[in-house]
Amino acid sequence: GAVVSQHPSRVICKSGTSVKIECRSLDFQATTMFWYRQFPKQSLMLMATSNEGSKATYEQGVEKDKFLINHASLTLSTLTVTSAHPEDSSFYICSAAHTRKAFFGQGTRLTVV
Amino acid sequence: AQKITQTQPGMFVQEKEAVTLDCTYDTSDPSYGLFWYKQPSSGEMIFLIYQGSYDQQNATEGRYSLNFQKARKSANLVISASQLGDSAMYFCAMRGTIQGAQKLVFGQGTRLTINP
Repeated sequence: GAVVSQHPSRVICKSGTSVKIECRSLDFQATTMFWYRQFPKQSLMLMATSNEGSKATYEQGVEKDKFLINHASLTLSTLTVTSAHPEDSSFYICSAAHTRKAFFGQGTRLTVV
Repeated sequence: AQKITQTQPGMFVQEKEAVTLDCTYDTSDPSYGLFWYKQPSSGEMIFLIYQGSYDQQNATEGRYSLNFQKARKSANLVISASQLGDSAMYFCAMRGTIQGAQKLVFGQGTRLTINP
């Protein structure tokens, strides 16, 4: 299947700092990528749709200014958690669609201390 | 709105037995896709199988098969000859074509445990 690479896999940051997470499609171009959040023992919840060359589309209840998304090329989308707080600690995972299927990155476990 | 329901929070199966994980869905889209993913403790989402709503045959991928019953709106995952490595969370997901094309809606997940 297609490969989606996400980096970093784990990050610990201090409260008030910003963290950038990268999502790359390695062997295909993705005009659209998706960012999900997953709390422990829960399902994945879509946060936003990242569109190459245009603004991201955020789901209801997701703060645009806190979760900045940039999709500057056909193979890279970034999610920046700004002014992170302990409640932002979670598992973040991206996906991209290819040939009718959706493939996921490895995920990023964010811990804000 | 699209909705996926997985009614089995946990399943325990003996190694080498077959297991069926249930998934029902609801959508008003005329065309849609159904997915199953495996999520081990590492967190990665591993694609297992895909079924398009207009596909004539049920999807199969190795030991995985999807029992697609369109009239009942169910898309159960069948794992044959289960292995210890199959122990993980399993998520059913759906993608529509009209309501938010391409984005996936996930079920609550089923934790599968394979006993030796």
